[in-house]
Amino acid sequence: DIQMTQSPSSLSASVGDRVTITCRASQIINNFLNWYQQQPGKAPKLLIYGASNLQSAVPSRFSGSGFGTDFTLTISSLEPEDFATYFCQQSNSPPITFGQGTRLEIK
Amino acid sequence: QVHLVQSGAEVKQPGSSVKVSCEASGDTVSNDAIYWMRQAPGQGLEWMGMTIPLLGTANYARKFQGRVTISADRSTTTAYMELNSLRSEDTAVYYCARATKWHNPEFDYWGQGTLITVSS
Repeated sequence: DIQMTQSPSSLSASVGDRVTITCRASQIINNFLNWYQQQPGKAPKLLIYGASNLQSAVPSRFSGSGFGTDFTLTISSLEPEDFATYFCQQSNSPPITFGQGTRLEIK
Repeated sequence: QVHLVQSGAEVKQPGSSVKVSCEASGDTVSNDAIYWMRQAPGQGLEWMGMTIPLLGTANYARKFQGRVTISADRSTTTAYMELNSLRSEDTAVYYCARATKWHNPEFDYWGQGTLITVSS
């Protein structure tokens, strides 16, 4: 199975900051990498698909990049509602697997 | 818009079974796939299996083979996930999610989650 490793596991930042979360795959996954945001007690929400494609209705301050094994999610200027947990997910080859999550907290 | 509405929380005894439903409505497409994931308390997401209702097929994660059954009723646009031989480690929130692609999926709509607690 493809292992997905996110870093950092947690991150403290302030409103207006630029933050970057990374996700590394244990094998090449081309661009089959998706990012989700999860608020406490809620289901995940798709942010980015295909490594760099912004899902409909997701604010443009979110962006994704990467190919192969290394990927990043960037939030250009944090808003209060962005403090949540973020997961990456690979769909290059079954079984689909998720990263362990990055918890983004208010500093 | 697509809405996935799951059945409610349950408390189950070890060794018993649970069946969670996921009813789809809205702009669903006949060839959508439904995936099931779970999330143990404070943990990440784990894929359990999936079904393509149009084809009547299901695939399961190796970890759950023989213990999980995923099915769908196209007439009611409802998918089901049944997990047998429950143990305490199965305590988790179970989610269904929609994918419009059968390969290399992303999950654009999710159910609200169903908390299954396994306890004696």
